[in-house]
Amino acid sequence: DIQMTQSPSTLSASVGDRVTITCRASQSISTWLAWYQQKPGKAPNLLIYKASSLESGVPSRFSGSGSGTEFTLTISSLQPDDFATYYCQQYISYSTFGQGTRLEIK
Amino acid sequence: QVHLVQSGAEVKRPGASVKVSCKASGYTFSTYAIHWVRQAPGQGLEWMGWINAGNGYTKYPQRFLGRVTITRDTSASTAYMVLSSLRSEDTSVYYCARAPTSGYSFDAFDMWGQGTMVTVSS
Repeated sequence: DIQMTQSPSTLSASVGDRVTITCRASQSISTWLAWYQQKPGKAPNLLIYKASSLESGVPSRFSGSGSGTEFTLTISSLQPDDFATYYCQQYISYSTFGQGTRLEIK
Repeated sequence: QVHLVQSGAEVKRPGASVKVSCKASGYTFSTYAIHWVRQAPGQGLEWMGWINAGNGYTKYPQRFLGRVTITRDTSASTAYMVLSSLRSEDTSVYYCARAPTSGYSFDAFDMWGQGTMVTVSS
């Protein structure tokens, strides 16, 4: 099974900050990686697919990069609506999610 | 508008089975895959398996083999997930999610149901 490891588990930041979340795969997944945002009591929402493709309707302050085993999600200027939990997901072999990164207000 | 609407909350005894439905609307059901993902209280997301709604192909991760069955009814644009031999650790919110598919592989999950809370308690 492919394991996905996110860091950090919790991130404290302020409105306007640039933040980066990292996701590492236990083996190469090429660019078969997605990022989701989840708010309490709600279903996850797709932000990025194929490592760097922005889902329709998602603000351009979100961006993704990476290939192989190392990936990043960057939010260029945090907005109040961005405080949530973020998950990476591989889908090259079955599917696995990272453990999540909680982005909280500093 | 694309929607996935799931059935309501369930309370089950240990050892029982639960069946959760996921009704799709706003798109051609048979041209996408449906996945099932669960989330225990305060925990992360766990993938449970998928079905190609067109050809009925299914795949499950090892840890759920023999306990999860995913089916679909194309005439009703509905997918189903049955989890058997329930235990307290299965208490979770269960989500269905849609993904583009090219047959035996799939892309990211672009639409999710609202979630169904399943509580397992004696």
